[in-house]
Amino acid sequence: DAGVTQSPTHLIKTRGQQVTLRCSPKSGHDTVSWYQQALGQGPQFIFQYYEEEERQRGNFPDRFSGHQFPNYSSELNVNALLLGDSALYLCASRIAGALDTQYFGPGTRLTVL
Amino acid sequence: GQSLEQPSEVTAVEGAIVQINCTYQTSGFYGLSWYQQHDGGAPTFLSYNALDGLEETGRFSSFLSRSDSYGYLLLQELQMKDSASYFCAVRQGNKLVFGAGTILRVKS
Repeated sequence: DAGVTQSPTHLIKTRGQQVTLRCSPKSGHDTVSWYQQALGQGPQFIFQYYEEEERQRGNFPDRFSGHQFPNYSSELNVNALLLGDSALYLCASRIAGALDTQYFGPGTRLTVL
Repeated sequence: GQSLEQPSEVTAVEGAIVQINCTYQTSGFYGLSWYQQHDGGAPTFLSYNALDGLEETGRFSSFLSRSDSYGYLLLQELQMKDSASYFCAVRQGNKLVFGAGTILRVKS
């Protein structure tokens, strides 16, 4: 049973560029959330997708957008990258009814130069 | 909004018992979760307390007091592999709000 997978593992971009991160949820899970984790901090919620729609959004600008596909996989897009966007981006999945147990992927380490 | 406070760092020796505290302020409370994260790894779910009291899972236990807005994670028989960051988290709607994390260093 595969857990949550994310790609790529690492990414280096320059300011102003755009990036797309990908996530495949754990088998049987239909809800995907994205978190940003800066060094030495806890994960910060970006948004959550269920049934291909954004259900809730955290305190992130519109430069952060996402998508969920019919197979429940998801993408996180970040436009006009800033140095401050450098972080570990985590994807978490769960079954819709299991609100308090999330399974995290290994993350994508994004470095913006 | 939600805010969670936990110590930034705790150090203990192998075989010992350590307690990581978490106090929270929240406008709506469902329960308190704990996650473990090794360096460079994914946060891993450890436990969830919705009701007051102690929940035990092997060497790890978690406690909640809703009246005190307080919980803790107790790790017994510490092993070197327990060296990691530990996060408490509360749910707000569909999202988890995490504390800043406690770095646990286990010394031999």
